[in-house]
Amino acid sequence: EVQLVESGGGLVQPGGSLRLSCAASGFTFSSYEMNWVRQAPGKGLEWVSYISSGASSIDYADSVKGRFTISRDNAKNSLYLHMNSLRAEDTAVYYCARERTVVIPGAIIVRYFDLWGRGTLVTVSS
Amino acid sequence: DIQMTQSPSSLSASVGDRVTITCRASQSIRSHLNWYQQKPGKAPELLIYAASSLQSGVPSRFSGSGSGTDFTLTISSLQPEDFATYYCQQSYNTPPVTFGQGTRLEIK
Repeated sequence: EVQLVESGGGLVQPGGSLRLSCAASGFTFSSYEMNWVRQAPGKGLEWVSYISSGASSIDYADSVKGRFTISRDNAKNSLYLHMNSLRAEDTAVYYCARERTVVIPGAIIVRYFDLWGRGTLVTVSS
Repeated sequence: DIQMTQSPSSLSASVGDRVTITCRASQSIRSHLNWYQQKPGKAPELLIYAASSLQSGVPSRFSGSGSGTDFTLTISSLQPEDFATYYCQQSYNTPPVTFGQGTRLEIK
């Protein structure tokens, strides 16, 4: 079965650290770019970070830059998000999402997230 | 950053109704627009990519249109399982990828 399964969430104090994992199965993980997206309780979706298939290109949202680190281990079919200096506003469900691209007329390359995990909840509170 | 604004923020409709949700970008994003459906307690699911392409397995009652700054998601005949929150997303000028604030579709 093609799926993504996140783990590693939990309760952490402000200023603390946590590492999230996303295990991929059913597809060739090393061929895909991956992302982390989060959703605060009762709020909308917020993109967090991106990593290319070979980890040569990485991006972060300004809200997490300098505190979060995305990485991957293609041999283990796994994606990670290392989160440091956590704040109350980082409280959210964190989803990993597989990215795909399509070329449409005009040679336009459109990116989209076609597969999502079920998410893992991170709560930052004292 | 490109801002995405959806309207309405919430909507009440009945089974069988035709429903349209609008998404407006703060600048042209050509056709770099995707739509997702999210049910309570579940992960988002891709419905439409590249503004008008239907994701495999998604019912044909869902359709998308638009380009540039204005886009629409249409559900031709609402089914009970369609009551959910819908998000648009742009992937034209990244980072960051940005999402609309969501449209909550409720049963009337």
